[in-house]
Amino acid sequence: DGGITQSPKYLFRKEGQNVTLSCEQNLNHDAMYWYRQDPGQGLRLIYYSQIVNDFQKGDIAEGYSVSREKKESFPLTVTSAQKNPTAFYLCASRIGDRNNQPQHFGDGTRLSIL
Amino acid sequence: KNQVEQSPQSLIILEGKNCTLQCNYTVSPFSNLRWYKQDTGRGPVSLTIMTFSENTKSNGRYTATLDADTKQSSLHITASQLSDSASYICVVSASGSARQLTFGSGTQLTVLP
Repeated sequence: DGGITQSPKYLFRKEGQNVTLSCEQNLNHDAMYWYRQDPGQGLRLIYYSQIVNDFQKGDIAEGYSVSREKKESFPLTVTSAQKNPTAFYLCASRIGDRNNQPQHFGDGTRLSIL
Repeated sequence: KNQVEQSPQSLIILEGKNCTLQCNYTVSPFSNLRWYKQDTGRGPVSLTIMTFSENTKSNGRYTATLDADTKQSSLHITASQLSDSASYICVVSASGSARQLTFGSGTQLTVLP
């Protein structure tokens, strides 16, 4: 089945530690996205990539980094500079970065601070 | 600043009843409005998309409406089922890329037997 796989489902971070969230898709989509979801708030865009080896900052990129070395993969690193990382992180993809196309979401990674 | 406001924040109904969720937006220029369903601990799934020229669109027991003049949309669920328990998110798009998407905070619907 085609889809988006995020791993791990749950992740814990210690103070001063970087952690990496995985996102893999087999939908042959060019565009991929990372969102952060906090209780009572709408999804906020962290980073997005329209094509391999290219990515752009979203609205809340500080404290995060990404790479897009392969079309299928778009990992997100939460660095120690992100002082409030506890949240539900969602990865999405779609055919192209055009808003008439729906985004397909993974099932998320819940990150917590130890 | 583009904004999307959803109401109510939460709603509890009995199985078999109908309900209506509201979405008001101030997004310009308007391109389209999409409703997503998000089950607990899962990613959102698209239910329907409304463009400027569309007033009503149905997807099974889900019917979305759009009034572009008043900048309001509603999602009506008919004959609710336990599996309808989820968060329903309204997303409004200005023309262009993902940077022009504005997400509402969702309505949490609980359907009780």
